[in-house]
Amino acid sequence: DTAVSQTPKYLVTQMGNDKSIKCEQNLGHDTMYWYKQDSKKFLKIMFSYNNKELIINETVPNRFSPKSPDKAHLNLHINSLELGDSAVYFCASSQLWTGGTGELFFGEGSRLTVL
Amino acid sequence: GENVEQHPSTLSVQEGDSAVIKCTYSDSASNYFPWYKQELGKRPQLIIDIRSNVGEKKDQRIAVTLNKTAKHFSLHITETQPEDSAVYFCAASWIGGYQKVTFGIGTKLQVIP
Repeated sequence: DTAVSQTPKYLVTQMGNDKSIKCEQNLGHDTMYWYKQDSKKFLKIMFSYNNKELIINETVPNRFSPKSPDKAHLNLHINSLELGDSAVYFCASSQLWTGGTGELFFGEGSRLTVL
Repeated sequence: GENVEQHPSTLSVQEGDSAVIKCTYSDSASNYFPWYKQELGKRPQLIIDIRSNVGEKKDQRIAVTLNKTAKHFSLHITETQPEDSAVYFCAASWIGGYQKVTFGIGTKLQVIP
């Protein structure tokens, strides 16, 4: 009964490859996010979706393409992987309306290593 | 956009002592200030938060204070225990039609037994 789950947990791949990370939340939240945590532990927002609509798109290379098929799912596809893409990617969700607090609920993270 | 500065980046305290982590934010429109704790290899989890209409909030051994005028907020942990060792992130957010949470760089707290 994991609240926010993401797969895969670990991903090791070669430069130039394309990979995807999937995220699902069963909390009924209306907003989902992708955060990148680099080796220095800095958490930086990449994207945010509200009810399948993109609302935040930070300065992220267009090799990164998020997709939200429904409000419970937010996937991240990365094309032409580069060494600098190595990081832990966290999916998160929050509820802002109907009694929501704004608390971010994070998934376990997906550690991407680009060789 | 919002900019959150956090210090110190590392903090070592003896078990039983207090720990204080300080943050400043730049956007006066921010109205929600959460603190997240991230243990090694785990996900960040909310430990306490404060809204802009409140100056102080306490939950057992942890407390947060907010000075809206100075755009400062702080986390206080009293009677620290080894299990408090983790990275702590402050954040600032505007909650309105949507939410954008900006995190500080994190403080690695080590509690020495």
